[in-house]
Amino acid sequence: AQKVTQAQTEISVVEKEDVTLDCVYETRDTTYYLFWYKQPPSGELVFLIRRNSFDEQNEISGRYSWNFQKSTSSFNFTITASQVVDSAVYFCALSDMNTGFQKLVFGTGTRLLVSP
Amino acid sequence: DTAVSQTPKYLVTQMGNDKSIKCEQNLGHDTMYWYKQDSKKFLKIMFSYNNKELIINETVPNRFSPKSPDKAHLNLHINSLELGDSAVYFCASSQPGIGKNIQYFGAGTRLSVL
Repeated sequence: AQKVTQAQTEISVVEKEDVTLDCVYETRDTTYYLFWYKQPPSGELVFLIRRNSFDEQNEISGRYSWNFQKSTSSFNFTITASQVVDSAVYFCALSDMNTGFQKLVFGTGTRLLVSP
Repeated sequence: DTAVSQTPKYLVTQMGNDKSIKCEQNLGHDTMYWYKQDSKKFLKIMFSYNNKELIINETVPNRFSPKSPDKAHLNLHINSLELGDSAVYFCASSQPGIGKNIQYFGAGTRLSVL
């Protein structure tokens, strides 16, 4: 069975601080996808990134960076120089690599509060 | 244009009523999904359709019936609504294939059963 654990329920930081959101996953599949989604206070779910299991390169996109480590089954998300607009609930998710369709298994989310 | 759109955005109704939530995507995707987000923000898949065919059906009460008239639409009908059905329901779509398979979500429908 697949499982995603986001142990941090809520994190509060002050603007311009760096913050890392942790994600640990469990799966018996040898190939899989990992995702991060953002849910701002307005409620929609916004896709941020997808990584596949055979690509462990870290990725950077502006102030966002992701660290994927298969050895520790982790896919952590770092926001550098956080801003108030980063306040949201962030979800890590996992799916198999079935090319037809996937069931996303979500973690419980981490609420990030960035204060001015 | 919104890629995945759901209507209505808010739905308030009484226990025992029947209601529907509509979802449409203009991304040309073959696969559509319904997820439920409970009051603790936990997201869980309910159904998935690929080209109008049901392919994932999690342990959802049979009061919930998805309908896909074409691959761009996946509606969710709920009979005999119960208090526990109160949640946010998200529709999503994706395109199967190597290098694809990213699910894009609608804005959600907040259902409140009184």
